Amino acid sequence: QVQLQQSGPGLVKPSETLSLTCTVSGGSISSYYWSWIRQSPGKGLEYIGYISGSTNYNPSLKSRVTISVDTSKNQFSLKLSSVTAADTAVYYCARLGVDGTYADYWGQGTLVTVSS
Amino acid sequence: DIQMTQSPSSLSASVGDRVIIACRASQDISSWLAWYQQKPGEAPSLLIYATSSLQSGVPSRFSGTGSGTDFTLTISSLQPEDFATYYCQQASTFPRTFGQGTKLEI
Repeated sequence: QVQLQQSGPGLVKPSETLSLTCTVSGGSISSYYWSWIRQSPGKGLEYIGYISGSTNYNPSLKSRVTISVDTSKNQFSLKLSSVTAADTAVYYCARLGVDGTYADYWGQGTLVTVSS
Repeated sequence: DIQMTQSPSSLSASVGDRVIIACRASQDISSWLAWYQQKPGEAPSLLIYATSSLQSGVPSRFSGTGSGTDFTLTISSLQPEDFATYYCQQASTFPRTFGQGTKLEI
């Protein structure tokens, strides 16, 4: 059974960089698409991007987002720079499956609040 | 980006009712549509993918139909555990986009 476990701080100061990590257990991180999705009251569910060899980012966030993978640790990570209060949300990591279409496994979610 | 619009935004129903939730895409997405269920404090959970394929472990009272721009999720006989928020998601193009959600209440 694939499990995704998220880690990272729940509070980030404005203008700083949000960093989250997702550790995958129960399966290899190879051969799948691994994504980050966030959810806020104002914007609902919002796709951030994925990594699977290459990366793909939401154009609305592309200039600030980096998703990377560490296959030796079976982990992938999200960095979102220059955060503002509008980036306050619950962040989820998720597996998009071998074709990058649907999120069939999700992490538990991390509430990240941007505040000084 | 493809806009996904769900209706209704909220719905009151009773155990045993048949419920239909609609999702409309702003452009043709063929059959590239999924439905998710989310309960308070939990991550969304995949119910249906490719419009009508049931994810493993999902009860058969859930079904999906549609193609192109118009899709529906049907719950044939509501159970107490089905009261949740439901989202559609298109997988035709990037960025993937979601509907705004339909909250199903008792």
